[in-house]
Amino acid sequence: KQEVTQIPAALSVPEGENLVLNCSFTDSAIYNLQWFRQDPGKGLTSLLLIQSSQREQTSGRLNASLDKSSGRSTLYIAASQPGDSATYLCAVPWPNQAGTALIFGKGTTLSVSS
Amino acid sequence: GAVVSQHPSWVICKSGTSVKIECRSLDFQATTMFWYRQFPKQSLMLMATSNEGSKATYEQGVEKDKFLINHASLTLSTLTVTSAHPEDSSFYICSARDTDASYEQYFGPGTRLTVT
Repeated sequence: KQEVTQIPAALSVPEGENLVLNCSFTDSAIYNLQWFRQDPGKGLTSLLLIQSSQREQTSGRLNASLDKSSGRSTLYIAASQPGDSATYLCAVPWPNQAGTALIFGKGTTLSVSS
Repeated sequence: GAVVSQHPSWVICKSGTSVKIECRSLDFQATTMFWYRQFPKQSLMLMATSNEGSKATYEQGVEKDKFLINHASLTLSTLTVTSAHPEDSSFYICSARDTDASYEQYFGPGTRLTVT
């Protein structure tokens, strides 16, 4: 079965730093990969979705890359702000096809200090 | 567009009672909805897949007689936690699959259940 791992589990940085969050998956035959943000006690906000044929997606200060062959994705956050403080989750569909449920990593909890 | 609501957003109940959580797709039809559970500092884990007009499919280790799922319409799925116990306290999140839009999924805001 597919497993999703996120490193690091927690990260604290000062405002303005660029940072990278890592996600790895065991079965490289993924349909797509999605990054979410979760604020404490809240639901999920979809940030970026990368299709298996894509190498990266960008939205504002966020850039997500995908390397299927190595089973990795990274989320790059530029010029971090205190408002970026949240838990970031990556997820892939399983079984590996459109419209199936998602398998999530445990997330990286980010704290950006002002 | 593509909004999913959950009700209630939080609930406190006594041990042994039952609690119903609703998941609604507000502006699209969802043949399939998914129910996830998230314990503190853990990730979301799929509990069951809810299909309109048919029985839900439960993940291994999830008691189908304890977590009753009903998907009676294309916009509503309900999860009933029966005879709740403190260990059922968790954050329950649903997602709805828009079958008319490339199978994209949209998540609800979650329901915080506390069993005392």
